[in-house]
Amino acid sequence: AQTVTQSQPEMSVQEAETVTLSCTYDTSESDYYLFWYKQPPSRQMILVIRQEAYKQQNATENRFSVNFQKAAKSFSLKISDSQLGDAAMYFCAYRSGETSGSRLTFGEGTQLTVNP
Amino acid sequence: AAGVIQSPRHLIKEKRETATLKCYPIPRHDTVYWYQQGPGQDPQFLISFYEKMQSDKGSIPDRFSAQQFSDYHSELNMSSLELGDSALYFCASRGQGDAETQYFGPGTRLLVL
Repeated sequence: AQTVTQSQPEMSVQEAETVTLSCTYDTSESDYYLFWYKQPPSRQMILVIRQEAYKQQNATENRFSVNFQKAAKSFSLKISDSQLGDAAMYFCAYRSGETSGSRLTFGEGTQLTVNP
Repeated sequence: AAGVIQSPRHLIKEKRETATLKCYPIPRHDTVYWYQQGPGQDPQFLISFYEKMQSDKGSIPDRFSAQQFSDYHSELNMSSLELGDSALYFCASRGQGDAETQYFGPGTRLLVL
């Protein structure tokens, strides 16, 4: 079974600074997808960014980018120019690409605080 | 853009009662997933449906059942509720050709007293 690990329960960053959240995963599959979801105090799960394992290029979405290291099974999220609205719980998630419609497996989450 | 709709948003039940949670996926999405998130925990997969057939099953108690209807909405039926069932229940939907991304609804907060 696949596992996802987020080793940083809490992180903090100053407004306008850059922060990197870590995520590692364990899998024997070669085809899979990785995601970062954000959960603000409203507890809505919001997709931040996604990465297909077959793509070597790191995904970017505006101020959000990932560092995908397939051999190391690492998938970190970088938030640039942090804003107060970025404060939330961030979950890293894995989805198999070898089984159609398969589930998401989440990490334990990282609580991000943004200081003004 | 249309999002996943869940109802009710909040639900309070007594122990041993039953509850029904509803999920309306994004239009033209054919796959629905249910997740349970306990306090301070990450979401745990319960069950999923593709084209009205169960496609995957996770750690769903035998007291729970679910189905997907012809209009693709889904219902999660929970019986003999226990205190430990108090959680946030998410529904997510997925469409074809969207990098296999699941989009989440706002969740239903269930409190069992």
